[in-house]
Amino acid sequence: AQKITQTQPGMFVQEKEAVTLDCTYDTSDPSYGLFWYKQPSSGEMIFLIYQGSYDQQNATEGRYSLNFQKARKSANLVISASQLGDSAMYFCAMREGQGGGFKTIFGAGTRLFVKA
Amino acid sequence: EAGVTQFPSHSVIEKGQTVTLRCDPISGHDNLYWYRRVMGKEIKFLLHFVKESKQDESGMPNNRFLAERTGGTYSTLKVQPAELEDSGVYFCASSHVSTPNYGYTFGSGTRLTVV
Repeated sequence: AQKITQTQPGMFVQEKEAVTLDCTYDTSDPSYGLFWYKQPSSGEMIFLIYQGSYDQQNATEGRYSLNFQKARKSANLVISASQLGDSAMYFCAMREGQGGGFKTIFGAGTRLFVKA
Repeated sequence: EAGVTQFPSHSVIEKGQTVTLRCDPISGHDNLYWYRRVMGKEIKFLLHFVKESKQDESGMPNNRFLAERTGGTYSTLKVQPAELEDSGVYFCASSHVSTPNYGYTFGSGTRLTVV
């Protein structure tokens, strides 16, 4: 069965430093997609980054990068040069299959606090 | 392009009452999803529409929950009668089948409080 595990309920990082948010997943499907979403205090869910299971290179989007280690089934999010506005909940998610019409499952989330 | 719109943003109702949540997806998005996050827990899948058809409703907790998507446009999620454990944030999301590499576009959620 699909499962997403985020073991860090909360993380602190100093402004301008990098931080890694952990995510491991479990699936028996060879075709899947991994996502990270950000939920600021305002409540909306914001898509950050996507990694496909067949992608050879780690995904990057601006200050976000996804450290994809397929053999270890891990998909950690790295945020470089943290900013105060990065303080939020971060959810790791997985979707089995390569189509846009498959359901996504989410981890429990990690709350990130960026200190000035 | 307008995003995913959810209404109301907040709802406080008494146990036993009925509440209807509405979601307007992005125009042209065939896939519409409902999710729920109970306080402090993970975001749970409720169901998935493809156009007006229920593709997967395995996450619906019980028969007090009824989702519809008439005409394949907006969707409603009705809770009747509401129980205390139904409190949480209900998210709607939509996606287009031709953009699998992108995450969903989520609405801002409806915060439901049952007292």
